[in-house]
Amino acid sequence: GQQVMQIPQYQHVQEGEDFTTYCNSSTTLSNIQWYKQRPGGHPVFLIQLVKSGEVKKQKRLTFQFGEAKKNSSLHITATQTTDVGTYFCAGDGGSQGNLIFGKGTKLSVKP
Amino acid sequence: NAGVTQTPKFRVLKTGQSMTLLCAQDMNHEYMYWYRQDPGMGLRLIHYSVGEGTTAKGEVPDGYNVSRLKKQNFLLGLESAAPSQTSVYFCASSRRTGTNQPQHFGDGTRLSIL
Repeated sequence: GQQVMQIPQYQHVQEGEDFTTYCNSSTTLSNIQWYKQRPGGHPVFLIQLVKSGEVKKQKRLTFQFGEAKKNSSLHITATQTTDVGTYFCAGDGGSQGNLIFGKGTKLSVKP
Repeated sequence: NAGVTQTPKFRVLKTGQSMTLLCAQDMNHEYMYWYRQDPGMGLRLIHYSVGEGTTAKGEVPDGYNVSRLKKQNFLLGLESAAPSQTSVYFCASSRRTGTNQPQHFGDGTRLSIL
């Protein structure tokens, strides 16, 4: 079945360093969503990308959707301790029309 | 504005016991979902509903049943709990099909099966 793979699984950075997580789908996606889950919390929607090659920014966060619509990335510039959490990508799930979530990248930031 | 509310927040069960997890949303969303989250496994869809009175199986439906008698409520039942069902359960809702609309999550239910 369709898979959404996310790497790395864990990332430890020093505060101020940049961070990137990558998401790859086994099939072409119509759109991709990104969520953030703080420790002990629930996933919170960040953004949705729809167009091939689309790039969106939210302050220090930059989201990209690949030209082939099979991969995506989230880049955080100059990480802060408030960025700590797990970042999930989610793609449309084929015949069921649901979201398929990647396993997430857990980010820790050392002050 | 409460959004998505899950009850209970924590529960410990013995193997073989049954229980129902309740999810309520006040956003008038059509679609509702139940996920389980296990370490290193991400979010896996158990069951979902596209409207009142309808339910469908997700990726990992075995051992669970659901009901959506009212638009705002989505119930997840465990008929005979097993240790493998120890997990964090999240309910979510969205306005239309989940592929085009953000999903709004509840705070989760942490369930332990002994």
